[in-house]
Amino acid sequence: NFMLTQPHSVSESPGKTVTISCTRSSGSIASNYVQWYQQRPGSSPTTVIYEDNQRPSGVPDRFSGSIDSSSNSASLTISGLKTEDEADYYCQSYDSSIWVFGGGTKLTVL
Amino acid sequence: EVQLVESGGGLVQPGRSLRLSCAASGFTFDDYAMHWVRQAPGKGLEWVSGISWNSGSIGYADSVKGRFTISRDNAKNSLYLQMNSLRAEDTALYYCAKGLMSTIDYWGQGTLVTVSS
Repeated sequence: NFMLTQPHSVSESPGKTVTISCTRSSGSIASNYVQWYQQRPGSSPTTVIYEDNQRPSGVPDRFSGSIDSSSNSASLTISGLKTEDEADYYCQSYDSSIWVFGGGTKLTVL
Repeated sequence: EVQLVESGGGLVQPGRSLRLSCAASGFTFDDYAMHWVRQAPGKGLEWVSGISWNSGSIGYADSVKGRFTISRDNAKNSLYLQMNSLRAEDTALYYCAKGLMSTIDYWGQGTLVTVSS
């Protein structure tokens, strides 16, 4: 099975833009959709991006997703950072019946 | 309103068994795949197992394969996770989650499993 590797933490100032990467260890990143979940302390996760770059209703367009086959990675970009964006973010993908989550990235907005 | 309510967690000794349940409501249960995802204290999310709408396709994480069994009863709108040969590293909050194609669109609040002597 493959692994998804994320940076442990990132930090940025309010109003700025931050990008979180998610690198697939084996198999093509483009072969299966990538999702991104946000988890605030004490809460269940929620989806912010699904199918590589789709936003669920209610998620602001400050959130965007992309994939890069050359680096075999996916990215979550959050622009116009707000303090409420401070949370843990997880990427997720799958291969056949096996799903995999990345290790998570703690976003600090300071 | 979609609701997923987990139950069955608790304190259990290493090597023993536990069965988790998830009661689903607010959607047509037998139209969707379902998953169990766990989160150890202070750690990240780990997918445990998933089951298709008709139980025809099932998958497990390597860490639980051969010890855990996922099942569902569509007549009862319920999802289950039978956990055998439990280990300390299985200690976690276990979430029941509703699948939607390649993603999870609803999560329960979780049930805590603690494996300790």
